[in-house]
Amino acid sequence: EAGVTQFPSHSVIEKGQTVTLRCDPISGHDNLYWYRRVMGKEIKFLLHFVKESKQDESGMPNNRFLAERTGGTYSTLKVQPAELEDSGVYFCASSPRLWGGTYEQYFGPGTRLTVT
Amino acid sequence: GDSVTQMEGPVTLSEEAFLTINCTYTATGYPSLFWYVQYPGEGLQLLLKATKADDKGSNKGFEATYRKETTSFHLEKGSVQVSDSAVYFCALNSGGSNYKLTFGKGTLLTVNP
Repeated sequence: EAGVTQFPSHSVIEKGQTVTLRCDPISGHDNLYWYRRVMGKEIKFLLHFVKESKQDESGMPNNRFLAERTGGTYSTLKVQPAELEDSGVYFCASSPRLWGGTYEQYFGPGTRLTVT
Repeated sequence: GDSVTQMEGPVTLSEEAFLTINCTYTATGYPSLFWYVQYPGEGLQLLLKATKADDKGSNKGFEATYRKETTSFHLEKGSVQVSDSAVYFCALNSGGSNYKLTFGKGTLLTVNP
């Protein structure tokens, strides 16, 4: 079974440009999460999809960030326009449908974004 | 709100040394606790978890016990190997309808032969 994949692995863009990150969750996982780690800091939650619906987007830093999950499969996270403080590693994770209890979140390798 | 505090390191040990990485937490409700590990060039992997007080999670020789009275979940291993070199993250999920993970800052462990 393929794991969570993310594309690209690295992206270097200039301030003001637009970048789109993609995440492909494990097949059949209804739940998809985005997290971000700014250098030297905690990994912070950004948002949570259940299928194509945004369940919780309380961690999105501002309206320059737009996440979508059309059709409930892969997800994209667009940053427009990018600022220097957006640099960091963006992780995607997925988990199966939650019926109660605690389900492991399976993480992708991350996309390292550098804004210059 | 929820928070996790872990020793920041970096931690450098010789092979076969004893490892402890401290983790304490603040959370509402009854959180589940996790240790994730990130090996170089890879994504985060769940190392172990505990879902209620006094539970002990264990995997690959690592152990951590959920201590509600001290709000701690310290990671231990009796004899580390070079292959254990990685970044270790303590995390919690406060449960209910809240599925997001709250992480500590991570601890870089380097094990020398």
